[in-house]
Amino acid sequence: DGGITQSPKYLFRKEGQNVTLSCEQNLNHDAMYWYRQDPGQGLRLIYYSQIVNDFQKGDIAEGYSVSREKKESFPLTVTSAQKNPTAFYLCASSSIAGVYEQYFGPGTRLTVT
Amino acid sequence: GDSVTQMEGPVTLSEEAFLTINCTYTATGYPSLFWYVQYPGEGLQLLLKATKADDKGSNKGFEATYRKETTSFHLEKGSVQVSDSAVYFCALNHKNEKLTFGTGTRLTIIP
Repeated sequence: DGGITQSPKYLFRKEGQNVTLSCEQNLNHDAMYWYRQDPGQGLRLIYYSQIVNDFQKGDIAEGYSVSREKKESFPLTVTSAQKNPTAFYLCASSSIAGVYEQYFGPGTRLTVT
Repeated sequence: GDSVTQMEGPVTLSEEAFLTINCTYTATGYPSLFWYVQYPGEGLQLLLKATKADDKGSNKGFEATYRKETTSFHLEKGSVQVSDSAVYFCALNHKNEKLTFGTGTRLTIIP
């Protein structure tokens, strides 16, 4: 089945550590996205990529980094510079033709203490 | 810039009640409009979409009509079920690679 996988579902880290969240898609989509969701709030765009080896900052990129070495993969690193990293992180992908309908993964809940 | 304004929640209804969740948008031209649903602990799923004025998107008993004159895309369902309890997001895309989301409306259906 085609889709987006994110792992792990739950992740716990100590403050000051970098952590990388995985996102893989087999939908053959060119574009991939990372969002952050906080309780009771909407989605905020962190980074997005339309093509391999290229990516753009979203609205809240500070303290995060990404890479896009393969079309299928778009890992997100939450660095120690991110002041409030505890959140629910969602990865999505879309084609870059048509209506840019996005497909989402199940999310990773990161807790930093 | 583009923006989406959603009815504030939470919304609580009894089973079989009629549902409306309001959504209005601000954008130039003719954006594509979407409703996404998020069940507890999960990612978002596309519920329905409309790509031009007067289009009606529908899925799982939910409907929304793209109204250019009122810049609205209200979500409706005639008879809700407990399984419809979720957070609903309205979103738009205006000929670029990014979606603009509303803040979400939490819906709870009571048996």
